[in-house]
Amino acid sequence: AQSVTQLDSQVPVFEEAPVELRCNYSSSVSVYLFWYVQYPNQGLQLLLKYLSGSTLVKGINGFEAEFNKSQTSFHLRKPSVHISDTAEYFCAAVSGGYNKLIFGAGTRLAVHP
Amino acid sequence: DGGITQSPKYLFRKEGQNVTLSCEQNLNHDAMYWYRQDPGQGLRLIYYSQIVNDFQKGDIAEGYSVSREKKESFPLTVTSAQKNPTAFYLCASNLLGNTEAFFGQGTRLTVV
Repeated sequence: AQSVTQLDSQVPVFEEAPVELRCNYSSSVSVYLFWYVQYPNQGLQLLLKYLSGSTLVKGINGFEAEFNKSQTSFHLRKPSVHISDTAEYFCAAVSGGYNKLIFGAGTRLAVHP
Repeated sequence: DGGITQSPKYLFRKEGQNVTLSCEQNLNHDAMYWYRQDPGQGLRLIYYSQIVNDFQKGDIAEGYSVSREKKESFPLTVTSAQKNPTAFYLCASNLLGNTEAFFGQGTRLTVV
């Protein structure tokens, strides 16, 4: 089955600490992978994407992600978080010829002072 | 400014009523999508359309209908057959052959 799994539903972290949000995908989906961020009552904003090439992808707001084909993972990292990073983060993969996005269930990142 | 506009931002529906959510884009994108978001479940695909006058069911199409009469517009109707319509609805679009999708700001539908 085609699926994207986000391993943590909530991640609490203190300000200026590093954070990693985990994402695994099933091998039946394509390896076009994305991370989106959603602030309360808003739409989704693209953080970064992996289509091909370098396995380390840098995105906006200091986030980066590493594509690991052998572990079918695409974990999101930030070396030092800020209060403003508090939001919900979604991992997604493209499925099929119509560019359909399959989303994980989301990870709520809560940054505490 | 180019983008996707969803309206209204908040919508209340009485049981048994049909309601229509608007989604308009001026990005000249070919494909448009409707997703439903429930807490802890991520986003689930309702319907999508690649070209005008053509659309396909997603994973949870029952109780919903769409039309694509113009490239810029992809309205979603939540019918009375949808038993649990209270949710946050997101519209998205992209260019065919380009995987990046752009999202609207969402419509929160509540049944009263």
